[in-house]
Amino acid sequence: GESVGLHLPTLSVQEGDNSIINCAYSNSASDYFIWYKQESGKGPQFIIDIRSNMDKRQGQRVTVLLNKTVKHLSLQIAATQPGDSAVYFCAETLGYALNFGKGTSLLVTP
Amino acid sequence: KAGVTQTPRYLIKTRGQQVTLSCSPISGHRSVSWYQQTPGQGLQFLFEYFSETQRNKGNFPGRFSGRQFSNSRSEMNVSTLELGDSALYLCASSLRGWRGDGTDTQYFGPGTRLTVL
Repeated sequence: GESVGLHLPTLSVQEGDNSIINCAYSNSASDYFIWYKQESGKGPQFIIDIRSNMDKRQGQRVTVLLNKTVKHLSLQIAATQPGDSAVYFCAETLGYALNFGKGTSLLVTP
Repeated sequence: KAGVTQTPRYLIKTRGQQVTLSCSPISGHRSVSWYQQTPGQGLQFLFEYFSETQRNKGNFPGRFSGRQFSNSRSEMNVSTLELGDSALYLCASSLRGWRGDGTDTQYFGPGTRLTVL
């Protein structure tokens, strides 16, 4: 498949374990954040979002944590599955644009 | 409902040529955004259109341009191609117009892989 990014940080986890992917954002004025998943050969797919007035939000098997003090986001994936293997991006909003982080490659091993 | 479609999926051009990429948003969506994805720079915002108007533009040279038609389909054009323009170009659409405040969601297409030789 296509490589969507070279020299990305890589997180390798065993199937069934929990995964934590971290992201530092740049703009303290950003008020909305999104996590995307990108599989090889595909465009980014929305996973979960969070507004700046929240510090935690949960979805199905995923949780996003926001720490505005240190401008840090994390994505937690529970019971990681092989289908979770992908590149994960955090994004912050700047007006009508999304400012993406560099991405983290998640590799799930059996 | 069909997703965002982009054509062509793959394209090879030579330096100095120009190229036009096409994006068809999800039916009923009125906002289209374009992004460039490269290994070195990651995903970078190019521009966003709503109702045929460009509302925002990223930090790219004037060689990069776009437009949106009355049916919300969008095209982007790159003139005088350079080797550094080789990238995956992604289009995203949203229903009511991307506000970046959680009131709408952007859906991405699969991208057009442009290779400049």
